[in-house]
Amino acid sequence: AQSVAQPEDQVNVAEGNPLTVKCTYSVSGNPYLFWYVQYPNRGLQFLLKYITGDNLVKGSYGFEAEFNKSQTSFHLKKPSALVSDSALYFCAVRGGNSGNTPLVFGKGTRLSVIA
Amino acid sequence: GAVVSQHPSRVICKSGTSVKIECRSLDFQATTMFWYRQFPKKSLMLMATSNEGSKATYEQGVEKDKFLINHASLTLSTLTVTSAHPEDSSFYICSAMSGGGAFEQFFGPGTRLTVL
Repeated sequence: AQSVAQPEDQVNVAEGNPLTVKCTYSVSGNPYLFWYVQYPNRGLQFLLKYITGDNLVKGSYGFEAEFNKSQTSFHLKKPSALVSDSALYFCAVRGGNSGNTPLVFGKGTRLSVIA
Repeated sequence: GAVVSQHPSRVICKSGTSVKIECRSLDFQATTMFWYRQFPKKSLMLMATSNEGSKATYEQGVEKDKFLINHASLTLSTLTVTSAHPEDSSFYICSAMSGGGAFEQFFGPGTRLTVL
């Protein structure tokens, strides 16, 4: 069975500091990994994905994530946080051989960037 | 990128009435669409998977007679909440899947349903 763990309910970081939002996963086969961001009363916005290739993936709004196969992790990072980055972040996974099955989501991590 | 729309974005209805939510893929054909429900400050809960031209597959615990899903075309799926009650109040999000190699899911902006 596929699963995603986001161990932190809340991450607080000062503006200008680097941020990390953690995600680990479990799938059979090669993983397809995604990060989404959600602002209040809005749908999910795609940030980035890992399918294959370079382990370091760069996405929207200056975010990046590193795929680590040995640690089954896909942590989201940004070198310098902005107050406008404050939102709810979801990590999601699908097994590479699972066809059109839906993404499995983590429980979400609320990021708060303090000015 | 691919765009998914939902209508309405917000609806308030009286208890006992039915509400229909539309989900459209605007610039691609979606053979598969998903409906999620999100409770306040919680993750997305998959309700059902909808394939064009066939019956939806509901997740365990989701009442198929209460949440009617129709996927009549490759660009439109509808969710009808029948005889809505206050406990059905929630944020409903649809997602459409393209047929690309990664089977990416694109999400609608969500519909806030409030049942009085």
